[in-house]
Amino acid sequence: QSALTQPASVSGSPGQSITISCTGTSSDVGGYNYVSWYQQHPGKAPKLMIYDVSNRPSGVSNRFSGSKSGNTASLTISGLQAEDEADYYCSSYTSSSTLRWVFGGGTKLTVL
Amino acid sequence: EVQLVESGGGLVQPGRSLRLSCAASGFTFDDYAMHWVRQAPGKGLEWVSGISWNSGSIGYADSVKGRFTISRDNAKNSLYLQMNSLRAEDTALYYCAKEGVGAIDYWGQGTLVTVSS
Repeated sequence: QSALTQPASVSGSPGQSITISCTGTSSDVGGYNYVSWYQQHPGKAPKLMIYDVSNRPSGVSNRFSGSKSGNTASLTISGLQAEDEADYYCSSYTSSSTLRWVFGGGTKLTVL
Repeated sequence: EVQLVESGGGLVQPGRSLRLSCAASGFTFDDYAMHWVRQAPGKGLEWVSGISWNSGSIGYADSVKGRFTISRDNAKNSLYLQMNSLRAEDTALYYCAKEGVGAIDYWGQGTLVTVSS
């Protein structure tokens, strides 16, 4: 099974907005609205930031938003802050097998 | 508060076996599917295996199929991963993770498995 495709790195200045893309296929991203995004700081476990394409769990800042078009999902972070610097991973349910999730390769966000 | 605490990791020689455990608390364990996800040093996340609430549905990544076995004991609020025929490429931090509505929503802190001679 192939991982979802994300850019290796993105960067932005404080206050700016950035968008991270996540490209899959019709068997995963394009076929289900079960796309999620995770933030991972060094040495820490991943934290759920977006689920079901565009929903935020309780406690997650509304500066984080998600969307999807066809086989590509996107995470947008507005009003960048220093603490947003982290690795971000997308994930999607996939029809390729039972109970299977697939992850993107991860994107390193640098806040300049 | 949801808590997932992994244990059982360590240094093991290639070809040997290891059993990981995950103790869950803070939620009704037998209401949710559970998963193992791993992260090799400096690399991204890789889904390893998942099991439904009643063990009726089980899935494995191709990379571990036939070597790893996932199981759960709902009476003990525990998730397990039996890992046989371990290879160097299985070296990773193994996370226990809970599936919520439409996503894996909680993760443990992980247990490190190192496969080396």
